[in-house]
Amino acid sequence: DTEVTQTPKHLVMGMTNKKSLKCEQHMGHRAMYWYKQKAKKPPELMFVYSYEKLSINESVPSRFSPECPNSSLLNLHLHALQPEDSALYLCASSPRQGEMAGEQYFGPGTRLTVT
Amino acid sequence: GQQVMQIPQYQHVQEGEDFTTYCNSSTTLSNIQWYKQRPGGHPVFLIQLVKSGEVKKQKRLTFQFGEAKKNSSLHITATQTTDVGTYFCAGRVGGSQGNLIFGKGTKLSVKP
Repeated sequence: DTEVTQTPKHLVMGMTNKKSLKCEQHMGHRAMYWYKQKAKKPPELMFVYSYEKLSINESVPSRFSPECPNSSLLNLHLHALQPEDSALYLCASSPRQGEMAGEQYFGPGTRLTVT
Repeated sequence: GQQVMQIPQYQHVQEGEDFTTYCNSSTTLSNIQWYKQRPGGHPVFLIQLVKSGEVKKQKRLTFQFGEAKKNSSLHITATQTTDVGTYFCAGRVGGSQGNLIFGKGTKLSVKP
């Protein structure tokens, strides 16, 4: 199984809402990532987890809160978002982090609209 | 900061023509990966190049990694309509963190 799954596929939320994005992989990968992708732009790294510990936070605003409950699951908790946070949120995983990380498998993404 | 420049931004070709996209890094890379993203889809891994001067082929796709490990190219021979999408290079810097640095992508359209 070389699949990364993400739920939901689409999400519309108001600026006062709290919601969560979920990501799951069963490839035994020990590095998991959250990316944000705006239209016609490349994926932009937000967070990296390595062995369930937060390894990289690319200066992401605190209204985005990641969580890695176990080696297969990655969540992104959203609170008090702004309309400019509307984007495609991609989860990815790789065997490990770092120079020898190997290929990244991306999930299908959650298309988020903040109203 | 570290950057990976990718050109061209857009390429429109007639079906059957060749296509090439180029990436250039400001620093030496540990390796470089290529991804394809179809319209409305997500990035899909194509290949990883690790060695200086490496050349790899996948059917009509040829990938090259420069001798200095700072530049790379993807060449598609005789494009087909199924090649439509955005091609991203992603360079990986060395070290324990080793993030991927994505180029801005080249959007390929193919006219039948």
